Amino acid sequence: DAGVIQSPRHEVTEMGQEVTLRCKPISGHNSLFWYRQTMMRGLELLIYFNNNVPIDDSGMPEDRFSAKMPNASFSTLKIQPSEPRDSAVYFCATSRDRVVEAFFGQGTRLTVV
Amino acid sequence: AQSVSQHNHHVILSEAASLELGCNYSYGGTVNLFWYVQYPGQHLQLLLKYFSGDPLVKGIKGFEAEFIKSKFSFNLRKPSVQWSDTAEYFCAVSWLTGGGNKLTFGTGTQLKVEL
Repeated sequence: DAGVIQSPRHEVTEMGQEVTLRCKPISGHNSLFWYRQTMMRGLELLIYFNNNVPIDDSGMPEDRFSAKMPNASFSTLKIQPSEPRDSAVYFCATSRDRVVEAFFGQGTRLTVV
Repeated sequence: AQSVSQHNHHVILSEAASLELGCNYSYGGTVNLFWYVQYPGQHLQLLLKYFSGDPLVKGIKGFEAEFIKSKFSFNLRKPSVQWSDTAEYFCAVSWLTGGGNKLTFGTGTQLKVEL
């Protein structure tokens, strides 16, 4: 099993640009979580999906952030427009339904300059 | 709102010292409990988990945790730490509510083990 696959691993972009982060869950996992980790705020849950449906997006910081899960094999987190304060490591994690052991991807380190 | 509290934000120990990291969660019915570890520059990895049964759970690398239901606690322990245990440790709880899973993490405890 390849585990949770995130891309890109590193992203450097200029303020105002659109950023798209990608996640491929482990096959058979139908819960998917997007987290953001910073020194100041620690690990924050942004949004999570169950069976491709967004269940709780209360952690999404503002309208500049959006997430989609068009099918069971793929999810995106988009920031438009990006700002320097969005710089963080973004993790995707997935789990089997009702067995909430979550497996994390390697993360995407985003730097907005 | 359901929450997870880790009271120790930074812990510094010498090698061979014993470790105990606290974790408490708010009341909310049946829970699944987890400890994750994040080594510097890496992603979170599962150390151990508790779903039901024996409240003393043994995980990888000599770690164990004890679920005390009456105290809403799930403290992590290791009898003798090593320099390689330097990492950040996260307690996580999942309340088995309707609407799917929602894993909630504590703020983490940064452990530094000195030689």
